[in-house]
Amino acid sequence: QSALTQPPSASGSPGQSVTISCTGTSSDFGGYNYVSWYQQDPGKAPKLMIYEVTKRPSGVPDRFSGSKSGNTASLTVSGLQAEDEADYYCSSYTGSSWVFGGGTKLTVL
Amino acid sequence: QVQLVQSGAEVKKPGASVKVSCKASGYTFTDYHIHWVRQAPGQGLEWMGGINPNDGGTYYAQKFQGRVTMTRDTSISTAYMELSRLRSDDTAVYYCASDLLRTTCGVSWGQGTLVTVSS
Repeated sequence: QSALTQPPSASGSPGQSVTISCTGTSSDFGGYNYVSWYQQDPGKAPKLMIYEVTKRPSGVPDRFSGSKSGNTASLTVSGLQAEDEADYYCSSYTGSSWVFGGGTKLTVL
Repeated sequence: QVQLVQSGAEVKKPGASVKVSCKASGYTFTDYHIHWVRQAPGQGLEWMGGINPNDGGTYYAQKFQGRVTMTRDTSISTAYMELSRLRSDDTAVYYCASDLLRTTCGVSWGQGTLVTVSS
């Protein structure tokens, strides 16, 4: 399975909203809604931000939201804050394996 | 609280094998799958495979079939990932992660283990 496609970079000013896309094929998503998003700071382990397309684990601010339409999943960060600057990865269950996106570096201007 | 603690950094020669451990605490080890994900320097995340600690069943990414072996020891709540026939492009940080939600490839993550392959 090839990696899901994400834009290499995204940016926004504090208080703005930014959306990161994650595009695959129908095989990549496997007919399941098991799409997750991870935030990774430099030198740190990834942190789960969204699971099952739209759900937030406890402790994740509601500024983070997820959606999916067809073969594209999206992560939206509203009310951008400086601490949101990080790398973001999507992942999906294909039905037999997991696949990640190539990652998006989010810069808060 | 849930914690995954991995073994320390390793330096290996090409052709050798490496075995990384991942000790879980704070939850029932056999209830949730453990996944292994690696990240080469400056690169993205790559899923390698997973293990069901309850019965030891494993599933591997096609890329690593024949080279990776995932095992567990339920008596000490520890999962292992062994990668053989190492190459220089296997140099990466290797993470274990526990799927506490049963619908992800990782909710709680270990701190990562740097494996360097160099002659």
